[in-house]
Amino acid sequence: EPEVTQTPSHQVTQMGQEVILRCVPISNHLYFYWYRQILGQKVEFLVSFYNNEISEKSEIFDDQFSVERPDGSNFTLKIRSTKLEDSAMYFCASSEAGVGREGRSEQFFGPGTRLTVL
Amino acid sequence: GENVEQHPSTLSVQEGDSAVIKCTYSDSASNYFPWYKQELGKRPQLIIDIRSNVGEKKDQRIAVTLNKTAKHFSLHITETQPEDSAVYFCAASMHSGGYQKVTFGTGTKLQVIP
Repeated sequence: EPEVTQTPSHQVTQMGQEVILRCVPISNHLYFYWYRQILGQKVEFLVSFYNNEISEKSEIFDDQFSVERPDGSNFTLKIRSTKLEDSAMYFCASSEAGVGREGRSEQFFGPGTRLTVL
Repeated sequence: GENVEQHPSTLSVQEGDSAVIKCTYSDSASNYFPWYKQELGKRPQLIIDIRSNVGEKKDQRIAVTLNKTAKHFSLHITETQPEDSAVYFCAASMHSGGYQKVTFGTGTKLQVIP
């Protein structure tokens, strides 16, 4: 069964550095998402992406963050000038159809990248 | 924006008993409500979802109910088993045009005691 994959599984960085988290969505999916989950807390929506542009973003997704689909398979989240509070698990997700659409709208999550900012 | 409240935060039940988790949402425009199960250290996985044109949906031991007027929705797990132990998240979303944001609840840690 196809799965969303993410690399790396764990990223350690120094405060102020830039990181790029990588995701490979399921190949026939058209909608892509990034979420974050601070340890022991709820999953928080960051951004959704469709047709090579952001379709929705949360208050968390400020100028520090950017997303890109550099080729036909990868979907990346860039975090510039990382802060201690950026430490979290970052999940990528993809879906064949938009959220809530009848059929094929299930979001499949990747295994996550644990980001630790020192 | 949307706000989703979830209760209880922890729930312990004996194996074979039922478990109920309740959520409320604030945005009356929300029309899609998925539930996710997250085992320790794993990714969230969709277990059931319901749309606002439906009041109840059932899938084997799992059922979800929705009260649009009160803006409540609930997850019911019957005949609980130890493998049901996990954190469960409710969520709310609206599908309309390009809107693609899902707001999660705070999670319920379910422990099924053998």
